[in-house]
Formats: sequence, C-alpha cells, structure tokens
Amino acid sequence: DSGVTQTPKHLITATGQRVTLRCSPRSGDLSVYWYQQSLDQGLQFLIQYYNGEERAKGNILERFSAQQFPDLHSELNLSSLELGDSALYFCASSASPGRTDTQYFGPGTRLTVL
Amino acid sequence: AQSVTQLGSHVSVSEGALVLLRCNYSSSVPPYLFWYVQYPNQGLQLLLKYTTGATLVKGINGFEAEFKKSETSFHLTKPSAHMSDAAEYFCAVSDTGNQFYFGTGTSLTVIP
Repeated sequence: DSGVTQTPKHLITATGQRVTLRCSPRSGDLSVYWYQQSLDQGLQFLIQYYNGEERAKGNILERFSAQQFPDLHSELNLSSLELGDSALYFCASSASPGRTDTQYFGPGTRLTVL
Repeated sequence: AQSVTQLGSHVSVSEGALVLLRCNYSSSVPPYLFWYVQYPNQGLQLLLKYTTGATLVKGINGFEAEFKKSETSFHLTKPSAHMSDAAEYFCAVSDTGNQFYFGTGTSLTVIP
C-alpha cells in the first residue's frame, strides 16, 4: 500500500459525458502527478501540481483539467469524453516537486467510455 | 526532447536465471532515469533511480541498473529470477521541466 488513494476504482460512462477522478496523496506529500495508461499510448504523464500550483504539464488534452485543493487532494476532470479516453488513470505523489523525488503511485481509476 | 525505448515487450526467463531488461534513452539534458515495476491491478512502484554519482544503482528486490552514458542505456538486471518477479517493468526519464517520459513497458514472465 503506497498511501495514495484514488476514487473511484472503476468508472463507466458514455461518450460526451464529464467525470471527476479524485486523488489523496500520501500524508505529508505536497506534489501530485496524474498519468494516463492506455494500451495504444502506454503510460503518459499528464500534469503535476505542487502545493496547489500547477508545476509541469505533459500530454494533457484541453478537454481535461486538474486542480489541487488546499487540503492537497487533487481532482482530474475529463469532459466531452470520447471512446479513446478509456484508460487507467494513475495519481502519484511525492514530498517535493523535484524530478528526482520518489513518486508513490495510487492503484488507479479504470475509466471505460462506452 | 526526451524519450525512452524498451527493447522487447515480452521477456521470459527461467526461475534462477539472469534477468536483463533493456532500456535506451534519448535526452537533451543530463538524464535522471528510473525503473518502475507494476504488478497486476496495482500502481507503479519505484525499483531504483539514477540521478548523479555512481553509475551502478542498486534497488529493491535484488535489482540493479547501470547508467552508461556512451551507450545511452540504463538496463535493469537481477542475477537470479524469482517467480515473484513476474510483472510489467517500465523505464522512465525525467527532464528539467519535471516531465516524465515512460517506455512502453516490458512484461517479464518467470518460468518455473
């Protein structure tokens, strides 16, 4: 158990809909990362937050957005969903934002878009 | 731009045999390199990382990796495979902008 929690575990929705994925980092970690893992694209870094501020941006679509709240939990919002958005979405946390810091991954949210 | 290539999407070894998982990277800055393991239905777990200093890095579960700048490689090895090593392994590189780039993964099967 990494100490990172993600909810929900599974999510099934329809095209065009909007969903919110939630992540609670390990106690004391200030940095949160979001990743998308799909069969065709592999594991893709989406975005990083540190203490409420966006720190780094990867291959995140404009239809996707994220935020980190004062209590340090983070939410990833996916809108106008397409079939290709079906994937496993991971959240990870680390103590600080440095690129050498060990990231601890949550168990993921499996999103299925029908 | 940074990128990672993992040669061999599937590797099979016999229990007790040497494990060698290959990773080559491309980086325009001094690379920070990572190996992660993913067990079925779980998130990724850090095995080891190279930042600076000693090029031979030891990680958890008996794994180690050697950073070879001249070959732009960071191959993962373990002298003797155990059944519990069966999993998906990912090599990753990070850049100065805190972005992380992962390889496509290598699925390791251990044959009893």
